[in-house]
Formats: sequence, structure tokens, C-alpha cells
Amino acid sequence: GENVEQHPSTLSVQEGDSAVIKCTYSDSASNYFPWYKQELGKGPQLIIDIRSNVGEKKDQRIAVTLNKTAKHFSLHITETQPEDSAVYFCAASVKAAGNKLTFGGGTRVLVKP
Amino acid sequence: SQTIHQWPATLVQPVGSPLSLECTVEGTSNPNLYWYRQAAGRGLQLLFYSVGIGQISSEVPQNLSASRPQDRQFILSSKKLLLSDSGFYLCAYYPGQGSEAKNIQYFGAGTRLSVL
Repeated sequence: GENVEQHPSTLSVQEGDSAVIKCTYSDSASNYFPWYKQELGKGPQLIIDIRSNVGEKKDQRIAVTLNKTAKHFSLHITETQPEDSAVYFCAASVKAAGNKLTFGGGTRVLVKP
Repeated sequence: SQTIHQWPATLVQPVGSPLSLECTVEGTSNPNLYWYRQAAGRGLQLLFYSVGIGQISSEVPQNLSASRPQDRQFILSSKKLLLSDSGFYLCAYYPGQGSEAKNIQYFGAGTRLSVL
């Protein structure tokens, strides 16, 4: 089955700097890669996603890149703000019965004012 | 609009007691439903998923079971809780129609279970 590795596990950045989180996946059939943000005590919320036929996608300060050949994808947050502090999860899935997502281990991001 | 409800928000149960967590979805029909567990500081582990009423797939062997008595209701149960069942339990749904191209899953607010 699919295996998703996420790095780093913790990330501390100064407000205004950029944050980058990287994930690798094992199943070449995976074709959908969402990123979720989880604040303390809450459920994960989708922040951005990318499909395998796209190499890059941007939404304001957040961007995601995908390298299908290398089987890795990354989340980029620019001009970080204190409210960006949270745990971020990457995931991968194959569009098939069940539409199951396999999640990475998460990255705890701390933005220092 | 679509919403997902999960309750209770927190639960403290003694070892050996039964468990019942409920999740309901509004605003969509025939969704895929999922139960995840998140240990402290860890990622999300898929426990069960369901593609229809009475259809349950188990991802990992464990002390828990799931049921889907109605189209938009998903229940996580245990007959006798273990200490290792403590964690943050999340219900999620995939609407299917309209979002099929993106496989988007939407999560509930979670239930924090402490088994003492």
C-alpha cells in the first residue's frame, strides 16, 4: 500500500520568513495530493491540493509543487504569520474505491513574532 | 451546505467500559465515511471506511468496530475499552458527487477519548 513520509516533524520560523514542508510517496498510481492544517484540538482543514497532471498550484501565500518522477511534493508558505502556527499534514490517494487518503506524520510549524 | 457533526467532543472512560462515538453528515447523499485515530503528536491512522449503508472496511485489526446504520450516520464502538484506545478520534466524509474529481475529504471536530 501507499506510504507517505513527511519532513521536518517540527519547523520554527520567524514571522515574515518562508516555510517549506516536504513529502514523499511510494505508490506511483497516486494522483491526488491534499494538504491539511490542524489547529490545536480541532479537526484538519484542507488548505490546498494538487492533482498529478499539475506541477504547481498557488493560492495567495500558499503554494504546492509536485514532482511525479521523483514522487515528492512540497508545501510552501511565504510571508508567514503567527496564525500560520499549526500542524500541517500532507496526504496522497489513488482515485479508486474508498478514496482513501494516506497521511504523512505531520509537521508542527511555529511562527515566532 | 454540507456539514459534519461529531460527538461527544471529549470523553473520559474507565478501562473495560463500552464506547460509542457518533458522526453524522448533512447536505449530501451516499457519502464515503471514515474513522481516523490520532495519537498525541502523531499522524492520522485510518481505522474504518464505508462506501454505503452496512458496508464497513477495516484497515487495522483492533479493539474497535464501526457501523453505518443510516446513509449519513457512522458509529465507532467498543465493547471493552483498553488504555491503548486513548486518542483523538476523527470522522471524515467524502461527498462523492461534485467533488469526485478532487477526492476531497472533510473532517469533523474530533472526539478526545481518555481511557483511565
